[in-house]
Amino acid sequence: LAKTTQPISMDSYEGQEVNITCSHNNIATNDYITWYQQFPSQGPRFIIQGYKTKVTNEVASLFIPADRKSSTLSLPRVSLSDTAVYYCLVGDAGYTGGGNKLTFGTGTQLKVEL
Amino acid sequence: GAGVSQSPRYKVAKRGQDVALRCDPISGHVSLFWYQQALGQGPEFLTYFQNEAQLDKSGLPSDRFFAERPEGSVSTLKIQRTQQEDSAVYLCASSFDRQSYEQYFGPGTRLTVT
Repeated sequence: LAKTTQPISMDSYEGQEVNITCSHNNIATNDYITWYQQFPSQGPRFIIQGYKTKVTNEVASLFIPADRKSSTLSLPRVSLSDTAVYYCLVGDAGYTGGGNKLTFGTGTQLKVEL
Repeated sequence: GAGVSQSPRYKVAKRGQDVALRCDPISGHVSLFWYQQALGQGPEFLTYFQNEAQLDKSGLPSDRFFAERPEGSVSTLKIQRTQQEDSAVYLCASSFDRQSYEQYFGPGTRLTVT
């Protein structure tokens, strides 16, 4: 599984766009990039997944350059409720162990203020 | 619809006691995962079930940890002779199929060993 590197923390203000970049220099051809969000005292929640270029859903956008060695999670117009830890994960959708176990790092603590 | 539920939400055990943590996955989800999350860290994989079969238990830290899913739905994580280092949040997650990276997490059980 490819190792990921992301900032430990980020601060932002309500209404701003937040971009969290994750480095995964050793990403393999079959690897997908997945982001999870975790609020205190809750389990992680799937946000978005992509393989290349750009993916957008109702929550966020994920930008992946052509070399796929990094990816950027973009949160538009954040609010206080977006304060959480954001995890970038990279893994092979064809994992042969029988299931896609997730490998989390320490994540990025995003703090949104008024 | 109901999400993944876990019980108890909090458990305090004296060192040396046995504990059992329960997970009720989303109905119809084939895959079930257990993770352990220490304070300030991301979740770490413990074990994986596909239906009733335990296909991966490579993350279980010692033979004091045992998990089962006898009928392919509810799962129980048992820790025998608890130690202080077992104090953590234990998260259960389920997904619809073995290929999906979109896992649905429960709220976790916070275990404190005194």
